[in-house]
Amino acid sequence: KQEVTQIPAALSVPEGENLVLNCSFTDSAIYNLQWFRQDPGKGLTSLLLIQSSQREQTSGRLNASLDKSSGRSTLYIAASQPGDSATYLCAVIYDYKLSFGAGTTVTVRA
Amino acid sequence: EAGVVQSPRYKIIEKKQPVAFWCNPISGHNTLYWYRQNLGQGPELLIRYENEEAVDDSQLPKDRFSAERLKGVDSTLKIQPAELGDSAVYLCASSLVVGEVFFGQGTRLTVV
Repeated sequence: KQEVTQIPAALSVPEGENLVLNCSFTDSAIYNLQWFRQDPGKGLTSLLLIQSSQREQTSGRLNASLDKSSGRSTLYIAASQPGDSATYLCAVIYDYKLSFGAGTTVTVRA
Repeated sequence: EAGVVQSPRYKIIEKKQPVAFWCNPISGHNTLYWYRQNLGQGPELLIRYENEEAVDDSQLPKDRFSAERLKGVDSTLKIQPAELGDSAVYLCASSLVVGEVFFGQGTRLTVV
């Protein structure tokens, strides 16, 4: 069974600081890895998809890396803003389904 | 392009009552998922459809939950009868077979 862990569970930073969110998974036989953002009371918004053959993916201030052999992914958010406050979830596509971590709740202080 | 559409957004029911959730996936997406998310946790898969076939329903509590995806497009998830422990957010998602997964806004169910 695939286990996905996100550490830390919560993070608070001042505006302008770079964010580093970690995700680890137990079985490296994944197809894709996807990062999501979830605002309170809302659904999940896809941020980045990294295919298993890729090492990283970038979109604007967001950069995600993937190291399958060590079972790790990292999401970097540059120059954080208060609007980045949300819960960030990582999910691996394994056995044709998404297996999620519990998320990291980020607060960016103005 | 319209995203995944779910309704209703919120539902409050008494225990032992039935409830149904509806989902319209992104046009052309043959894979449809229903997930359940409890407070402070990541979503957990209930059922996955490929077109109209339920290919993974191993986590669906079949004594009270049922789902259907008629004509391989819209889907309905039903709970009958609801229990207090069913209070959660029910999320529908869709994708191409192994592509990027897109989620709807979810239905927040409260069973009292």
